[in-house]
Amino acid sequence: SQTIHQWPATLVQPVGSPLSLECTVEGTSNPNLYWYRQAAGRGLQLLFYSVGIGQISSEVPQNLSASRPQDRQFILSSKKLLLSDSGFYLCAWSLGLASSYEQYFGPGTRLTVT
Amino acid sequence: DAKTTQPPSMDCAEGRAANLPCNHSTISGNEYVYWYRQIHSQGPQYIIHGLKNNETNEMASLIITEDRKSSTLILPHATLRDTAVYYCIVRKTNSGYALNFGKGTSLLVTP
Repeated sequence: SQTIHQWPATLVQPVGSPLSLECTVEGTSNPNLYWYRQAAGRGLQLLFYSVGIGQISSEVPQNLSASRPQDRQFILSSKKLLLSDSGFYLCAWSLGLASSYEQYFGPGTRLTVT
Repeated sequence: DAKTTQPPSMDCAEGRAANLPCNHSTISGNEYVYWYRQIHSQGPQYIIHGLKNNETNEMASLIITEDRKSSTLILPHATLRDTAVYYCIVRKTNSGYALNFGKGTSLLVTP
C-alpha cells in the first residue's frame, strides 16, 4: 500500500530564516505530487504541483520554491521566511491526470514564523 | 465547476448511520462528485467519488440521485473518530489539480 511521509511535524522559525520541508511517498511510481498550504480557519491553497522529476508548476507567486530531485521526493523551500508564511503545509500525491482529483495527503507540517 | 451546498453542521449518535447531504443542481454530465473529510489538525482524507452510479468502499457509500442534482454520503456505523468536516466537491476529472473545498459540513459524532 502507499504511504506518504512529511517532516517535521511542527516547526517554529524566525522571520528571515530559511525553510526546508520534505515529503516522500512509498508504494507507487511516478506520482503527481502537490504542496498545499492551509492558513488557520481557511481553505486549501495549492502552492506547487509536479508531474515528474524536475517538473514543477507554481500556482501562486510567493517567496517559496519547490523541487523534485527524485521520483517520490518533494521539497518545499524558502530562502527567507515571512510572517505570512505561517500555516499548515500539506503534501499530497495522486496518480495521472484522470485521477488527479483523488489525492492522498500526508500528516502535514505546522509552521509558525515568529 | 458546479457549486455545491451542504448543511453547516450535523450531529450523529455513535453507532448510527450518518447521512451527509450535498446539493449540486448545476452539475454537468461529465462532472464527478467527490467527498473528502478533514479531521481537526490532520490533512484532508479522500473518501469516495462517483459519476452517476452509487458507489461503496470500505469507508462509506455514495448515493447519487437519478437526476444527479444531489447526493448523500453515508457512514454506516459512525464512530467518534468520524467527527470531522466533510466536503463535497464537483469536478471534471481532467480540469486541473487544485482541490477547492467549500465550507463543508461539520459532523459531530456523540457517545
